Amino acid sequence: DAGVIQSPRHEVTEMGQEVTLRCKPISGHDYLFWYRQTMMRGLELLIYFNNNVPIDDSGMPEDRFSAKMPNASFSTLKIQPSEPRDSAVYFCASSFEPNYNSPLHFGNGTRLTVT
Amino acid sequence: SQQGEEDPQALSIQEGENATMNCSYKTSINNLQWYRQNSGRGLVHLILIRSNEREKHSGRLRVTLDTSKKSSSLLITASRAADTASYFCATMNRDDKIIFGKGTRLHILP
Repeated sequence: DAGVIQSPRHEVTEMGQEVTLRCKPISGHDYLFWYRQTMMRGLELLIYFNNNVPIDDSGMPEDRFSAKMPNASFSTLKIQPSEPRDSAVYFCASSFEPNYNSPLHFGNGTRLTVT
Repeated sequence: SQQGEEDPQALSIQEGENATMNCSYKTSINNLQWYRQNSGRGLVHLILIRSNEREKHSGRLRVTLDTSKKSSSLLITASRAADTASYFCATMNRDDKIIFGKGTRLHILP
C-alpha cells in the first residue's frame, strides 16, 4: 500500500489567491482527518470525515476554509482567499476506526507558504 | 483545545541512554497513542495503549498509563541517533476527536 498521499508537497502563493490541497487516503479506511501544524499552535484538527460525510468541522478556522470528500479515495481542503497567517504544514490522515485499536496513518503533508 | 500535553518540550541525551517522555491529559479516554515525527515528514504511529491496560512494550519502547493520574509515559531504551525526532501523544475525547499535544523534541547526541 502506498500510504496516504498528499499533493502538492509544497505550495507558495500570494495573499488572496485560492489554494487547494489534495489527499488520497489508504484504501478501505473509513475516516479521514485534516490537521494543520504550526510551531505556535502545534497540531490542530480542522475537520474529519466518516464514510465521506463531514462529521465535525468545528476546527475549521474561518469560512475561508472548506473541505470536501466527493468519494472514498479523494479529499480536498480549499482556502479562498488565502492569507499569510494560513502558512503552515497541512496533514491528511486516515484510519479504519480511530476509537478502537486503529491508529492514524499520516501523509507527508503540504507545506503552504502565503506571501 | 489540547487534550494531551507532553513533558519535557525538548530533551537531549547521549546515544545509548534511555529517554523518557511524559504526557498528561484532561478527560477520560478509550486509548492513548504515541506517534513519532521526523523532520519534514508526517507522523508515524508507534504504540497504542487501551484505558484498561497499564503497560505495553514494543521493541525498545515501553509505554505506561495511569488513568487515575491521567498520565502516560514513553520510554525509549538504548537510544540511537535514528531516534532523533519529535514525539507526540494523542487521545480521543468524547466527541471522537483525536487531539495531539505539542510534542517532545528528542535529540540524541553522538
